[in-house]
Amino acid sequence: QVQLQESGPGLVKPSETLSLTCSVSGGSIKGYYWTWIRQPPGKGLEWIGYIYYSGSTNYNSSLKSRVTISLDTPKSQFSLRLSSVIAADTAVYYCARAHYNNYAIDYWGLGTRVIVSS
Amino acid sequence: QTVVTQEPSFSVSPGGTVTLTCGLSSGSVSTNYYTSWYQQTPGQGPRPLIYSTSIRSSGVPDRFSGSIVGNKAALTITGARADDESDYYCVLYMGSGLWVFGGGTKVTVL
Repeated sequence: QVQLQESGPGLVKPSETLSLTCSVSGGSIKGYYWTWIRQPPGKGLEWIGYIYYSGSTNYNSSLKSRVTISLDTPKSQFSLRLSSVIAADTAVYYCARAHYNNYAIDYWGLGTRVIVSS
Repeated sequence: QTVVTQEPSFSVSPGGTVTLTCGLSSGSVSTNYYTSWYQQTPGQGPRPLIYSTSIRSSGVPDRFSGSIVGNKAALTITGARADDESDYYCVLYMGSGLWVFGGGTKVTVL
């Protein structure tokens, strides 16, 4: 059974960089889009971006200038960096897996809450 | 910027049927958008229900079905139960490596 687990600081100061890591177990990194999604308090889901197992990336245009997603295949981990954070970046951040052939986001982590505050 | 639209809320009686829709601010949703649907209860992560418009995810009862209705994707819940009371999100694959979520529909069973 594939499992994903987010880790990282729960509190980040404004203007600093949010960094999260997702550890993948029970399945291969190959052949999937490794994805980050977030959900601000009381709001809906927002797709942030992905890194394909080959290393190619794509990001939500609204966040593109601040987002970097990277992959560490030997460790079965991928990471999110979001720079220059503001209060509006406060959210539950989910890592997830999406299929290359049917684009289904089928496995999700439990989510990690990140608060941006001084 | 393309917006994916969902009804903000819906109410259904126990045992009843409700159809939620997922549309585009401009254009029609077709099977080419590989619509997926998720159920989310408070404090929990999203649970996959449907992918590729109409295929049920593993373990999802056949009370949940996906389709295209007119120019929108649709999620139909038949025989609604109290534990179906949740937020429901659709997501469309827009092509070129982009996914866009709808704003979600809050379903109340009463």
